[in-house]
Amino acid sequence: DTGVSQNPRHKITKRGQNVTFRCDPISEHNRLYWYRQTLGQGPEFLTYFQNEAQLEKSRLLSDRFSAERPKGSFSTLEIQRTEQGDSAMYLCASSLLEREQYFGPGTRLTVT
Amino acid sequence: AQKITQTQPGMFVQEKEAVTLDCTYDTSDQSYGLFWYKQPSSGEMIFLIYQGSYDEQNATEGRYSLNFQKARKSANLVISASQLGDSAMYFCAMRGRISSGSARQLTFGSGTQLTVLP
Repeated sequence: DTGVSQNPRHKITKRGQNVTFRCDPISEHNRLYWYRQTLGQGPEFLTYFQNEAQLEKSRLLSDRFSAERPKGSFSTLEIQRTEQGDSAMYLCASSLLEREQYFGPGTRLTVT
Repeated sequence: AQKITQTQPGMFVQEKEAVTLDCTYDTSDQSYGLFWYKQPSSGEMIFLIYQGSYDEQNATEGRYSLNFQKARKSANLVISASQLGDSAMYFCAMRGRISSGSARQLTFGSGTQLTVLP
């Protein structure tokens, strides 16, 4: 039983560049979540998918952020025109039921 | 709106002793879930324990137990027989009722850094 995987684990980019992260959930999980975590804080919710449908988006998710989950399997999170304030750990989680969410190792983004 | 408060930024405990990590929450929902996660320095969030708001018994998972006091809106985590590997950041989190628009997300506290001393 493999867990949630995320790629890349680390990303360094220059301000203004676009970046894309990938999340592969636990295979039978139909619910997928993205969170952002800055240093010294708990994760903050960004968006939620049930199968391929994006059902909730946080106000934190500006127009520069877009997420997809084609075919209800893996998901991608794209940030366009990155800013230094986007530097954070981006966490993906999945769940089967409306209970515990299982998290991946995260992608640490550094915008220089 | 939901809010989780963890008032202990850091805690120390001697190996093999028990430790309680505090968590209080605020919600107007009648049905909600409370979670504890562990985040080691590697960064991965590890699920520890879950308590539903209508569960009459306090949740237990091995050395972890959740001291749920609904009237006081507290959900403290108790770790018994601490081990060196328990050193990590611990987050309390809440999920609201399923029928609301923001029910599926978890709201996290700011965390408690636990250090187990040999």
